[in-house]
Amino acid sequence: EPEVTQTPSHQVTQMGQEVILRCVPISNHLYFYWYRQILGQKVEFLVSFYNNEISEKSEIFDDQFSVERPDGSNFTLKIRSTKLEDSAMYFCASSGLGAANTEAFFGQGTRLTVV
Amino acid sequence: KNEVEQSPQNLTAQEGEFITINCSYSVGISALHWLQQHPGGGIVSLFMLSSGKKKHGRLIATINIQEKHSSLHITASHPRDSAVYICAVSQGGSEKLVFGKGTKLTVNP
Repeated sequence: EPEVTQTPSHQVTQMGQEVILRCVPISNHLYFYWYRQILGQKVEFLVSFYNNEISEKSEIFDDQFSVERPDGSNFTLKIRSTKLEDSAMYFCASSGLGAANTEAFFGQGTRLTVV
Repeated sequence: KNEVEQSPQNLTAQEGEFITINCSYSVGISALHWLQQHPGGGIVSLFMLSSGKKKHGRLIATINIQEKHSSLHITASHPRDSAVYICAVSQGGSEKLVFGKGTKLTVNP
């Protein structure tokens, strides 16, 4: 069964460092997302990506964040200068159509710890 | 802005019991999703529905659009059903999901 894969599963980084979280969405999907979940809190939307551009982003997704689809398979989230409050589980998701029309498939998540 | 509320927050059941988890939302939606999150953190989609009822194995999801309410039922619950069950909604014109806080279900043998 096709699945969304994320790497790494865990990342520890020092405050101020740049991190890149990687995702391989399901191959024929058109919509890609990043969500995050701070420990003990609900999952929050960060950004959606369609047709090679950001289609929607939340207030959390400020200038420190960027997304890229560098080739036909990878979808990355970059945090330029990490802060302690960026520590969270980051989920990548993809869907064939948008969330209004089809299920979203989530990766297993990358646990980011900023020290 | 859509607020998604789930109840109960925590639920403990004995194996075999019938489980109901509730979700209500404040603004009209285009679809409602039920998801399952296991202790390891991964999220799995269970259902997406915009009206009526869906069934998959021992899981049943219903939605009442007029009342802005959905329920997830688990029949003949089993310890392997222990997980966090999350309701999330999407609104017309937006592709993002707005999540509830989740219901932590523990099924004891």
